[in-house]
Amino acid sequence: AQSVTQPDIHITVSEGASLELRCNYSYGATPYLFWYVQSPGQGLQLLLKYFSGDTLVQGIKGFEAEFKRSQSSFNLRKPSVHWSDAAEYFCAVVDSGGYQKVTFGIGTKLQVIP
Amino acid sequence: EPEVTQTPSHQVTQMGQEVILRCVPISNHLYFYWYRQILGQKVEFLVSFYNNEISEKSEIFDDQFSVERPDGSNFTLKIRSTKLEDSAMYFCASRGAGGPYEQYFGPGTRLTVT
Repeated sequence: AQSVTQPDIHITVSEGASLELRCNYSYGATPYLFWYVQSPGQGLQLLLKYFSGDTLVQGIKGFEAEFKRSQSSFNLRKPSVHWSDAAEYFCAVVDSGGYQKVTFGIGTKLQVIP
Repeated sequence: EPEVTQTPSHQVTQMGQEVILRCVPISNHLYFYWYRQILGQKVEFLVSFYNNEISEKSEIFDDQFSVERPDGSNFTLKIRSTKLEDSAMYFCASRGAGGPYEQYFGPGTRLTVT
């Protein structure tokens, strides 16, 4: 069965610093991978997605992620964090067969300090 | 931009009562999903629905749960006899036919069972 691991539950960064959130997945075939962001009390907003092709994908709000098959990873990055980026970030993998349920990681809560 | 909507945003109910959570998926989408997120935990898949029937369900989705698409636009999740442990945020999602497999999530309904 597919699974997603986000090893960092909480991360604190200073505003303006770079950010990398880690994600490892387990899936037998080529995965479809996503990053979602959830602000407090809000729903899930899609940041970016990877299906195939270029392994470096650009998303909204200045985020990017790199798919590395050899490491089974799909880490999320941002070169300069803004205070408004404080939120919870979920990595997810979609079952490319069947009816394509989404399997989420546990999430990484990002705190941004001035 | 089309979006998934959910009502109500917050529902408080007493243990043993029935609740119906409502969702309006994006109009031309064909696949519908419910997920839930217990406070502090990850988002979990409950059920997928396609062609007017359940296509896949998780272990969580027991006989107390049911889904329905009553009128071609709404998609509902019913919990027949709520338990304290049903307290969670419930997300509806939908996607179109074929690729690119991106699910669009609603803002969620927070269910509190007292």
